[in-house]
Amino acid sequence: ETGVTQTPRHLVMGMTNKKSLKCEQHLGHNAMYWYKQSAKKPLELMFVYSLEERVENNSVPSRFSPECPNSSHLFLHLHTLQPEDSALYLCASSHRVAARNEQFFGPGTRLTVL
Amino acid sequence: GENVEQHPSTLSVQEGDSAVIKCTYSDSASNYFPWYKQELGKGPQLIIDIRSNVGEKKDQRIAVTLNKTAKHFSLHITETQPEDSAVYFCAASASGGSYIPTFGRGTSLIVHP
Repeated sequence: ETGVTQTPRHLVMGMTNKKSLKCEQHLGHNAMYWYKQSAKKPLELMFVYSLEERVENNSVPSRFSPECPNSSHLFLHLHTLQPEDSALYLCASSHRVAARNEQFFGPGTRLTVL
Repeated sequence: GENVEQHPSTLSVQEGDSAVIKCTYSDSASNYFPWYKQELGKGPQLIIDIRSNVGEKKDQRIAVTLNKTAKHFSLHITETQPEDSAVYFCAASASGGSYIPTFGRGTSLIVHP
């Protein structure tokens, strides 16, 4: 148990569906991240929220839309996804300014797009 | 930006042997180097880390070494056990401005009983 929870753990959706992934951290961190992990590919940073600042990977398609209503919650809204979007989506949190900015990861949401 | 290279991508050892995974980085401003272990069905978890003012750090069977001049750091696992089988990621980041870590591509370690 890392203090970062993600729901749902598994999600199967069609290309026309709209769904959201949820992440919650109880560690008092001030930075939260979304990563995409595909088979045989490196961890891909998608979005970072920290102190009301958003950093995004410009290669992430607009069909992924993040939302961070407060420092403890992070969402990833999904719409009109493609089969190649099937992957493990990991949420992480950390301190932004600290002696060490160790990341704490959630267990991930395994997404399958049909 | 930072670039982290990790080798090998797959490492197969016999139980009891040692395993070494190596990473290089490009940004001299990086000063924090964590290693994460990802077991099947789980997210990565920190197993050991090192900061740039230290050359070596050890925790039981795992150790990390850092050569800041050459910009490389390594993970050493001694007396490997089947439960060490997992994917290992190295990362590099800087406290403060460039706090977002850059990860290596991962090493799949297989320990055969």
